[in-house]
Amino acid sequence: DGGITQSPKYLFRKEGQNVTLSCEQNLNHDAMYWYRQDPGQGLRLIYYSQIVNDFQKGDIAEGYSVSREKKESFPLTVTSAQKNPTAFYLCASSPLAGGPGEQFFGPGTRLTVL
Amino acid sequence: DAKTTQPPSMDCAEGRAANLPCNHSTISGNEYVYWYRQIHSQGPQYIIHGLKNNETNEMASLIITEDRKSSTLILPHATLRDTAVYYCIVRGRNFGNEKLTFGTGTRLTIIP
Repeated sequence: DGGITQSPKYLFRKEGQNVTLSCEQNLNHDAMYWYRQDPGQGLRLIYYSQIVNDFQKGDIAEGYSVSREKKESFPLTVTSAQKNPTAFYLCASSPLAGGPGEQFFGPGTRLTVL
Repeated sequence: DAKTTQPPSMDCAEGRAANLPCNHSTISGNEYVYWYRQIHSQGPQYIIHGLKNNETNEMASLIITEDRKSSTLILPHATLRDTAVYYCIVRGRNFGNEKLTFGTGTRLTIIP
């Protein structure tokens, strides 16, 4: 069964701690993306990767870091430098970088920093 | 990418056609119109996209005006499961332009 998985669905962390959100896809997609969504708002792009071992900053990359060591995995680390990390985080992938543009989204991780 | 304007909310009776408008008056020649929807607390779902011709798939139809400055997403027989926020997005398809810019969308409520 192909798709994108994000884990965990809910995550709680204390202020000042780094936390890593998992995103895995078995769709053989080249491109992967991380978005952040705040209540009542649209999605904002954090980072994206078009190919293994390469990634680009999106609109709100400060306080976040990513890696793309494998095609199927694109973990996001929310660092202590992120001033307001509580949000809904969505991972997506698309078949070909610069291609048709349909992005397939995972179920999301809701991060709450206490 | 061109900016889009959508009404913040709409209601539609169950079983009727839901017509969701989108204005994108600054769209350029190589930019496509995409529609996604997001059901509460889930990831967005791709619905349909088009360039200038009308498009139809198993989920919906997309009608783009001849001048391409606006479009309408049509859900032909709305069901309660179609209640969601619908996003209209304009994006070019050139390599390196990967961003989908999500606005606040239209909150569609299907009324029983």
